[in-house]
Amino acid sequence: AQSVAQPEDQVNVAEGNPLTVKCTYSVSGNPYLFWYVQYPNRGLQFLLKYITGDNLVKGSYGFEAEFNKSQTSFHLKKPSALVSDSALYFCAVNFYGNKLVFGAGTILRVKS
Amino acid sequence: ETGVTQTPRHLVMGMTNKKSLKCEQHLGHNAMYWYKQSAKKPLELMFVYSLEERVENNSVPSRFSPECPNSSHLFLHLHTLQPEDSALYLCASSLQRTGEYEQYFGPGTRLTVT
Repeated sequence: AQSVAQPEDQVNVAEGNPLTVKCTYSVSGNPYLFWYVQYPNRGLQFLLKYITGDNLVKGSYGFEAEFNKSQTSFHLKKPSALVSDSALYFCAVNFYGNKLVFGAGTILRVKS
Repeated sequence: ETGVTQTPRHLVMGMTNKKSLKCEQHLGHNAMYWYKQSAKKPLELMFVYSLEERVENNSVPSRFSPECPNSSHLFLHLHTLQPEDSALYLCASSLQRTGEYEQYFGPGTRLTVT
């Protein structure tokens, strides 16, 4: 069964430092991978996706993610964190179907 | 804004009430979704509509009844709910139902069942 794991409930980082939010998945074959962000009292907002091609995907607000097939990971990264990046981040996987399976979410806190 | 609107944003209802949640997308998408988001639980997919036809129902209790009258509108009719149904209900849409298309979410309806 396809699944996605976000091993960290919370990530804390200082403003200006690089950030990484981890995501691993368990599927056979080639998945479609997504990152979404949720700000308080808001719905989820699409950040970026990996479908095929270049393993490094660039998305909104300076975020990027690296697809690593051998490690079945799709970690979200940003070179320099902003306080406004503080939010709840979801990784999601869709494999040969139409059901998006979400991870449990990781709270990112960026402190000034 | 994502182009997906939901009303009402907040709803408090008793267990014997009947209410409806409304979702509208202005993106020209063909697929629409209802999700339930509860505290400390992963997002749960409830229903999927593609071209106004329900294509997925993830073992959702019959007290939740979806309706998709056209590709731009989606409703979730609620009746005789339980307190454990209190959650954030999110609507989403995508260009097509196939997996490579990202979903766009509305702001959600915060439902409290008393």
